Amino acid sequence: DAGVTQSPTHLIKTRGQQVTLRCSPKSGHDTVSWYQQALGQGPQFIFQYYEEEERQRGNFPDRFSGHQFPNYSSELNVNALLLGDSALYLCASSLRPPNYGYTFGSGTRLTVV
Amino acid sequence: TQLLEQSPQFLSIQEGENLTVYCNSSSVFSSLQWYRQEPGEGPVLLVTVVTGGEVKKLKRLTFQFGDARKDSSLHITAAQPGDTGLYLCAGGKNFNKFYFGSGTKLNVKP
Repeated sequence: DAGVTQSPTHLIKTRGQQVTLRCSPKSGHDTVSWYQQALGQGPQFIFQYYEEEERQRGNFPDRFSGHQFPNYSSELNVNALLLGDSALYLCASSLRPPNYGYTFGSGTRLTVV
Repeated sequence: TQLLEQSPQFLSIQEGENLTVYCNSSSVFSSLQWYRQEPGEGPVLLVTVVTGGEVKKLKRLTFQFGDARKDSSLHITAAQPGDTGLYLCAGGKNFNKFYFGSGTKLNVKP
């Protein structure tokens, strides 16, 4: 049974560019949440998608946007990249509500230069 | 400002020792989860606690949720090198968004 799959695993972008990260949830899960984890920190909630709509959002600017597709997979888009956007981006799938825990992917390591 | 404070930030112990890590907040949570994260990987769920005062055991790991549902602890008995990792607690407030602490980085030396 495949868990959460994220692509790409690593990415290097230049400041000002745009990036799209992808996530396939665990089989049977219908909710996808995205987290940003800076080095040495805990994950910070970006947003959550359920039934193809953004349901909850953390304290991130509009440069961060997302999408969920009918097959529950999801994309995270970041526009006008800043050096401070360099981080590990984690996708977590769950049933909604995620009271019984998330299943995380291994993440995408984004480096902005 | 972190909603959840974890302590200690770093812990280095010898194999066989016992340890406790803490997760504290001034907020009440509907549920609290503990994860372990290894370098280059995503966090892996260890346990979810939902009832104030609840205690759960997972082999050598014991998790407790505070009576007021504001804090939690994780106790490891006879730590092993395989326990090495970043331990994260995450509290849920409205069942749809979980807040993570900064973690406790544990190193168990053989």
